[in-house]
Amino acid sequence: DTEVTQTPKHLVMGMTNKKSLKCEQHMGHRAMYWYKQKAKKPPELMFVYSYEKLSINESVPSRFSPECPNSSLLNLHLHALQPEDSALYLCASSPSPLRTGDNEQFFGPGTRLTVL
Amino acid sequence: GQQVMQIPQYQHVQEGEDFTTYCNSSTTLSNIQWYKQRPGGHPVFLIQLVKSGEVKKQKRLTFQFGEAKKNSSLHITATQTTDVGTYFCAGGNAGGTSYGKLTFGQGTILTVHP
Repeated sequence: DTEVTQTPKHLVMGMTNKKSLKCEQHMGHRAMYWYKQKAKKPPELMFVYSYEKLSINESVPSRFSPECPNSSLLNLHLHALQPEDSALYLCASSPSPLRTGDNEQFFGPGTRLTVL
Repeated sequence: GQQVMQIPQYQHVQEGEDFTTYCNSSTTLSNIQWYKQRPGGHPVFLIQLVKSGEVKKQKRLTFQFGEAKKNSSLHITATQTTDVGTYFCAGGNAGGTSYGKLTFGQGTILTVHP
């Protein structure tokens, strides 16, 4: 299995809702990432997990809460989001969390999130 | 912090013409990676360059990493309609403590007219 899967593909939520995005990989990768991407912009790093531990939080608001239950799964819990949080949320994985980012990242297809 | 500038932002070509996108970093990079994102799709890894002055080829695509490891380019020879998409460079931080972090360029959106 050489792919990263994400569910759901699309999500519409109100500002008071709580929802979760899920990401899964079975390539044995030990680094996993959450990115946010707006239209015509590059992916913007949110979080990095290295060996199931949070290693990077790019000053993301607390209404986004990541979780890595095991080496294959990555969740992003959403609560009290704002309309400006509407975007494509991409999960990625790479073989190992080397210090200088030497490994390629495999991206999932993303979750298209709309906050009303 | 580290910044990676990428130009041009947009490029429109006729099928068969060549295309080049350039990336320039404010700091020395440990490596540079290139990704392609088709319209409506997700980024897909193309290649990674690690050594100073490195040149790699993939069929019609040629990737270069500068001698100072601060710039890189992607050149496509004789574009085809299947080359349409956004091309991103992404630089790794030399000497940093950011595990796995890449800094993405702004991307070049390539349109190929048949």
